[in-house]
Amino acid sequence: QKEVEQNSGPLSVPEGAIASLNCTYSDRVSQSFFWYRQYSGKSPELIMSIYSNGDKEDGRFTAQLNKASQYVSLLIRDSQPSDSATYLCAVNQVFSGGYNKLIFGAGTRLAVHP
Amino acid sequence: NAGVMQNPRHLVRRRGQEARLRCSPMKGHSHVYWYRQLPEEGLKFMVYLQKENIIDESGMPKERFSAEFPKEGPSILRIQQVVRGDSAAYFCASSPGPPGTSRDEQYFGPGTRLTVT
Repeated sequence: QKEVEQNSGPLSVPEGAIASLNCTYSDRVSQSFFWYRQYSGKSPELIMSIYSNGDKEDGRFTAQLNKASQYVSLLIRDSQPSDSATYLCAVNQVFSGGYNKLIFGAGTRLAVHP
Repeated sequence: NAGVMQNPRHLVRRRGQEARLRCSPMKGHSHVYWYRQLPEEGLKFMVYLQKENIIDESGMPKERFSAEFPKEGPSILRIQQVVRGDSAAYFCASSPGPPGTSRDEQYFGPGTRLTVT
């Protein structure tokens, strides 16, 4: 069973703090990892992609990937109330027959309070 | 550069009618994906298409659902004889390259909210 696991939350952090969102995946051969943000009633918005072990930074966002531990995380620095949304972890997984499919976690709800 | 476009944004159908959902990928993207999201649930993959080809339809129900991506025009997701359980948000995404490559970032359209009465 190919899975992507996230804590559903809500994760509540004060404005200005660091929000840490975590995701584990089951497929050891996955090569592509993504974080999406989805506001209520809206479509998912790609905020980060990461393909190699280590950290990748983009503005206030940092994605961290550890393939050995099958773990990917997203850090949001200086959290703002506008960051309040559901964050979806997505992992590209390889299935029998050689085809790939993007599998989404159920998402973590983040609430940033003033 | 226009993003992924979907229409209609909202669609109401009575049970038994047909629903047609359209998706135009981002310019330069030839890979299209359809997802379904039920209220308070995650995104579920339905089908992956390239121009004139269905690559992976493993997530699509065998009956009543079909998808196409013709040489000219948008990708179409068709649901025949809709039932109340089909009510959901249907999202289309596109990518410049196939899944599992360095060009596989998927960008989503605004979605079509289907309501079956």
